[in-house]
Amino acid sequence: LAKTTQPISMDSYEGQEVNITCSHNNIATNDYITWYQQFPSQGPRFIIQGYKTKVTNEVASLFIPADRKSSTLSLPRVSLSDTAVYYCLVVGNKLVFGAGTILRVKS
Amino acid sequence: ETGVTQTPRHLVMGMTNKKSLKCEQHLGHNAMYWYKQSAKKPLELMFVYNFKEQTENNSVPSRFSPECPNSSHLFLHLHTLQPEDSALYLCASSQGLPVVNTEAFFGQGTRLTVV
Repeated sequence: LAKTTQPISMDSYEGQEVNITCSHNNIATNDYITWYQQFPSQGPRFIIQGYKTKVTNEVASLFIPADRKSSTLSLPRVSLSDTAVYYCLVVGNKLVFGAGTILRVKS
Repeated sequence: ETGVTQTPRHLVMGMTNKKSLKCEQHLGHNAMYWYKQSAKKPLELMFVYNFKEQTENNSVPSRFSPECPNSSHLFLHLHTLQPEDSALYLCASSQGLPVVNTEAFFGQGTRLTVV
C-alpha cells in the first residue's frame, strides 16, 4: 500500500490559488491518485482523480509528473467555504486515508 | 445529498446497550465500507464488503459486528462498547472492487457517543 505524505496544514486568503502537494514515492503501476475534501462532521467528498499528466474539472486541477511520485492539487481562487481537510489517496485496491492537509482560508 | 444515507445521525448509548447503525445506498454500487473517525484523527477503514461478501476486516474488535444483507444495505451492530469507541462512523459505497478509476460516495455519518 503506497504511503502518502502531505503538509499538515496550510493557510491562504480568499481569491488566491492554493496548491497542495502530496508525495507518494512507492506508487504502484495500477494505482490512481485521488483527492477528497472533508468538512467537519461530514463524510469526505471526491474532488478529482488522475493517473498521469494533468486533469482538470470544474473545481480543481491535478498535476502529476511523469514519474508519478508526487502530485499537486490546485484550487483556483479559494473562498472561505473551501476551508476543509484535503486528503491525497493512492488508490489501488483499497481506499485508505492518511492524515490530510487542513486548509484554512482567511478573509 | 450523496446517495448514501446513514441513520441515525446521532446516537448516545451506554456501555451495556446494543444498537445498530444503518447505511443505505441507491447508487447501484456493489462495494460498501465502514470507517471510524475519532476526534482529530484520520479515517480508519474498518470493514469492506463487495457483492455482500466481506472482503476486509481491519482487526476490528468483535464488539463491532457488520452485516450486509444486500448490496444496497450495510449495518454495523454495536454491543458492549467502550467510551473510546465514541467517534463519527462513516459509510461509503463505490461501484465495485478494485476501487481504482472510480470514486467513493460517503454518507453524512453517525456521531456515536458511548457513556
